[in-house]
Formats: sequence, structure tokens, C-alpha cells
Amino acid sequence: DQQVKQNSPSLSVQEGRISILNCDYTNSMFDYFLWYKKYPAEGPTFLISISSIKDKNEDGRFTVFLNKSAKHLSLHIVPSQPGDSAVYFCAASVDFGNEKLTFGTGTRLTIIP
Amino acid sequence: DVKVTQSSRYLVKRTGEKVFLECVQDMDHENMFWYRQDPGLGLRLIYFSYDVKMKEKGDIPEGYSVSREKKERFSLILESASTNQTSMYLCASVLSGGSYNEQFFGPGTRLTVL
Repeated sequence: DQQVKQNSPSLSVQEGRISILNCDYTNSMFDYFLWYKKYPAEGPTFLISISSIKDKNEDGRFTVFLNKSAKHLSLHIVPSQPGDSAVYFCAASVDFGNEKLTFGTGTRLTIIP
Repeated sequence: DVKVTQSSRYLVKRTGEKVFLECVQDMDHENMFWYRQDPGLGLRLIYFSYDVKMKEKGDIPEGYSVSREKKERFSLILESASTNQTSMYLCASVLSGGSYNEQFFGPGTRLTVL
């Protein structure tokens, strides 16, 4: 049972435009969410996170939006750059401070120059 | 910077072999994790450990065991490798009770079982 789902396995975006990656979850106990970025042959690296008490968190070109009622979060990258081409995983945890994460299936983002 | 290292980047083994994957972190993290990454399935948790000699099953522990004899080292063991264990294996660590849940990952081991 996939509790965290990324329904788009791949996404292509023109350089300079906005990339929007989506993630849905089913477990209403999740209250902390993270996005990771993974290049080929490397481990995932943390990108940005959001607590359930917020609906938006911004860090430079990256913004994560959380809609608790819809059990949906999204990652916006503006403007998209070629170096953003990677696989993006969303992850969720129950209780802030609970170190166990449940990951989504990933979305491969390709930025077209 | 936190560093998580894995003993091998690429490994090729034969069916039935016993396989050891080693992971070492240098930041005194209490919690360590083993995942496997497969296309279309994302990262799935195999085992995790909250302390030395402590271990808990993740979502897909069948066919695997782990060992944590020292705080910095967490080993994943495939008792008798099978072809369906061909995958990318990722180790991660995180500080216990930290202000956030960010896990730090190693570079991964690409295991092929023939």
C-alpha cells in the first residue's frame, strides 16, 4: 500500500519556466514533509521541508505548498535550470522529530535548454 | 559536513552467495537506515536502527538481515542473494531528536545478482 504517491513518473520543462512536482499522501497522521533530489549514481540530498502547521515554505527558487485537506503537496521550482534535472522524491513522517520517513515513487524532471 | 560512505559503488554477486553491504557515518548519528531504490517503486525501507545492537524491520525486510555493533556502522546482509535483490541500495543516517527529519544518504551501492 503506497502511502505516498507521485503520480507523474516524469516531467519535462523548458529552461526558465516553472517546474511543478506533485505528491499525494493517504495517511492523515503524516505531519512533516520533505523533498529530496537525486542525481544518477549519487544518494538523495535534502532539498526543502514543510511542517503541517504551515501551508507554504520557500527557499530561494524552491517553494513547497501543502494542502492538508486534500492531502497534497507540491514543489515549485522557478526558474528551472538545467542543473535541476534529477529525480525528485517526496517523503513524509508521522510526528515532527520521528526520524522514520515514507518515500514516494519519484518524478524524473528533465529541464530542456 | 555529514559524510555517509558505503563500502562499494558497484557489486556483482551470484545467486545463493552471502552478501555484505557496509555503511559508515561520521557524525555520531543514532539512527541509521537501509533502503532499496527500484524504478517505479521509489525508496523502500528495509531495516533501521535507533542505537547500537537495536534494529527494527522496515517495509520489506524479507531476505535481509542487519548488524549494528558500533554506532557509526550499519551493515546490511543478504543471507542468500537472489536475482530479485538486484537493486540500488542506499544507506542513510539522522540525528535522534533533531529539530528536523533530514536524513543524510550515502552514494548507494548498485548490486547485481546473476
